[in-house]
Amino acid sequence: GNSVTQMEGPVTLSEEAFLTINCTYTATGYPSLFWYVQYPGEGLQLLLKATKADDKGSNKGFEATYRKETTSFHLEKGSVQVSDSAVYFCALLTGGGNKLTFGTGTQLKVEL
Amino acid sequence: AAGVIQSPRHLIKEKRETATLKCYPIPRHDTVYWYQQGPGQDPQFLISFYEKMQSDKGSIPDRFSAQQFSDYHSELNMSSLELGDSALYFCASSSGAPQETQYFGPGTRLLVL
Repeated sequence: GNSVTQMEGPVTLSEEAFLTINCTYTATGYPSLFWYVQYPGEGLQLLLKATKADDKGSNKGFEATYRKETTSFHLEKGSVQVSDSAVYFCALLTGGGNKLTFGTGTQLKVEL
Repeated sequence: AAGVIQSPRHLIKEKRETATLKCYPIPRHDTVYWYQQGPGQDPQFLISFYEKMQSDKGSIPDRFSAQQFSDYHSELNMSSLELGDSALYFCASSSGAPQETQYFGPGTRLLVL
């Protein structure tokens, strides 16, 4: 079956630090990969996505590259801000079904 | 841009009561999905509808039912509520094409006392 594994949190960084949140997946076929972000008390917002191998999704300074050979979709940002503090979910969607499979989420805390 | 609308945003119920959650998809989206997120958990898929027909089913209890109406809005009906049903319930919508991006609503926070 499909599964997504994310690094455990919380991840605590100082403002302007480099961020990496690891995500690996197991899936049949060729999934689309997503990062969603959930700010405190709010819903899920799509952050970025990639639909095929070697695609790079990017948005708001965040980026992630679809690596088929390592089945990974790591999230990176060069300089985090306090406002980036949130929970980040990696997710996949396969063509055979239409339900998202989420990782367990990684909480990011950015301090001044 | 228009987003997914969910109502109510917050709901408090007693055990054994019923609840109805509503979801209005993004205009021209024909597919609706329901997810349940327990405290500190990742969202779990419950059920989805495409063109008013159930398209997929996940870990939805038999006490829950859902449907999609002719205007594409969807309702999740929950009966005999239990304490463990307390969670954030998300609706998402998409255009229905394979692997199309799902856009989430703000969620309905249900508390069962």
